Amino acid sequence: AQKITQTQPGMFVQEKEAVTLDCTYDTSDPSYGLFWYKQPSSGEMIFLIYQGSYDQQNATEGRYSLNFQKARKSANLVISASQLGDSAMYFCAMRENRDDKIIFGKGTRLHILP
Amino acid sequence: NAGVTQTPKFRVLKTGQSMTLLCAQDMNHEYMYWYRQDPGMGLRLIHYSVGEGTTAKGEVPDGYNVSRLKKQNFLLGLESAAPSQTSVYFCASRKGGPYFNEQFFGPGTRLTVL
Repeated sequence: AQKITQTQPGMFVQEKEAVTLDCTYDTSDPSYGLFWYKQPSSGEMIFLIYQGSYDQQNATEGRYSLNFQKARKSANLVISASQLGDSAMYFCAMRENRDDKIIFGKGTRLHILP
Repeated sequence: NAGVTQTPKFRVLKTGQSMTLLCAQDMNHEYMYWYRQDPGMGLRLIHYSVGEGTTAKGEVPDGYNVSRLKKQNFLLGLESAAPSQTSVYFCASRKGGPYFNEQFFGPGTRLTVL
């Protein structure tokens, strides 16, 4: 069964520092995708970045990058030059291509300090 | 385009009452999902649908039923509400296909069962 683990319930980071949010996963499907979403205090879910299991390069979107280590089954989100507006809950998610389920981890609450 | 809408936004039920949550999308998406979000638990998949007339169980399907009679609508039913079903419910949809397609989320429904 597919599984997503986020081991950091909360993090405090100084503004302008880089942040790494951890995500490990488990699946037996060789074809899968990994996602990160941001949920600010307003509650909406904001898509950040995607990595496919067969993608050769790590995904990047602006200040967001995904550190994909397939052998370790990890898909950590890296936020460069953090901003106060980055304070939010962050969720890692995975989709197995064989059944299209998309499941989420428990999330990491990130606090950016001025 | 309204995107993904959820009705109602808030609801209070008494134990044993029934209700239906409506999710509607106007993006002609094939796939639709229902999640519940509880503190410390992240988003957990309740049921999902890969097309009109089809539904499948997610991680926590007990106590819920769903129907997808029309492509644009995905209904979540609680036949006999329990306090354990107090949660924020999110609906999401995405375009079908084996490749990456972002999930679009609704604003959520906050349900309290007394």
